This record gives sequence, C-alpha cells and structure tokens, in this order.
Amino acid sequence: EPEVTQTPSHQVTQMGQEVILRCVPISNHLYFYWYRQILGQKVEFLVSFYNNEISEKSEIFDDQFSVERPDGSNFTLKIRSTKLEDSAMYFCASSERENYEQYFGPGTRLTVT
Amino acid sequence: AQKVTQAQTEISVVEKEDVTLDCVYETRDTTYYLFWYKQPPSGELVFLIRRNSFDEQNEISGRYSWNFQKSTSSFNFTITASQVVDSAVYFCALSGGKIIFGKGTRLHILP
Repeated sequence: EPEVTQTPSHQVTQMGQEVILRCVPISNHLYFYWYRQILGQKVEFLVSFYNNEISEKSEIFDDQFSVERPDGSNFTLKIRSTKLEDSAMYFCASSERENYEQYFGPGTRLTVT
Repeated sequence: AQKVTQAQTEISVVEKEDVTLDCVYETRDTTYYLFWYKQPPSGELVFLIRRNSFDEQNEISGRYSWNFQKSTSSFNFTITASQVVDSAVYFCALSGGKIIFGKGTRLHILP
C-alpha cells in the first residue's frame, strides 16, 4: 500500500541553524501539506501546496519557513533560522484531490537546542 | 472562522465497553468535510473516516461508527466493544482546504 515517507525521523539542531525536512508524498497525489504538533498538543496546519505553488498558509508559516518540490517526488520544508519554539513533530501529508482524505507521513521530530 | 471542539480531554473505559467521542464543529461554509484521525502511542496519524457536509448518513465500519448531525454541528465517533489496541488520541477535524484539528481526546482502554 502506498504511503507517505519522511526523513529524517529525528533531527537535532542548534538554535539559528537551517534545517530541511524531507517528504515523499504518495505518487499520484496532487496536494501536499505540512503540519506540526508540539508535544502533547494539537496538530496545526502550516502550509498547503498545489501545482508548484503555495495555496494556503497559516500565521505560523512566516518568512523563516519555505516549501519546495524540487523534483517529481520530494516535497521539502525549510526552516531558515531555527528557534527553540520550533521544536515539534512535523508531519507531511498528501491527498489525491482537494478536500479528500489526507494521508500523513510518520513525522520528523525536530529538536532545537 | 472554523473551529473544532472536542470537549472530552481524556476518557478511560474498561475493555469491551462502548465509548463515544464527541466532536462539535463551527463553520460558515456550506460545503465542508469532516474527518476522524487516530494517533496511537507510536505517533503516526491514521485516517479513519471522511464525511462531506451533504451526506448525513451514519456510517459503520466494524466496531467503529460515526453519527453526523448537521442540526447540532456534531460528528461523534463510537467504538463498540472497545479493545486495548483502541487506546490512542483521536482527533476530529474539519476541512475547507486545510484541515483544522480539534485538540484530541485521549482514550485509555483498560484491560
């Protein structure tokens, strides 16, 4: 069964460093998303991406964040200058069509020290 | 503004009991979609069900059932004959594009 994959599973970085989180969505899906979940809290939407551009973003997704689909399979989230409060689990998701069920990857746990 | 409220923060039941998880939503959209996701202790998010706003039929899938009532803006989830493996955090969510998640209900099934 096709699934969303994410690498790395855990990333530790120092405050101020740049990180890139990688995702491979399900191959026939057209809509891609990033969410984050601070430990023990709810899942928060960051950004949605369709047709090689951002279709929607939340207030969390400020200038330090960017997304890219560098090739036909990968979908990346870059955080330019990490802060302590960026520590969270970051989930990538994809869906076949807008408003269809989104399938989530296993997440990348980001720890900023 | 869209909002999802899961008033039950944590529920504990003994195995084989039935349990209902409540979800109330707010939206001004006439077309919207509702979801339930399960997050087991391993941390992944598992899709359970999707419902669109025009389909108020209740759904049953094995021990799981969902009751969608537009009149009360509720989309409740019932697990019948609960099992220890059902222990997880369950999220109700609302979509008009991005998904807005509720805060989740942590369900403990005690052996």
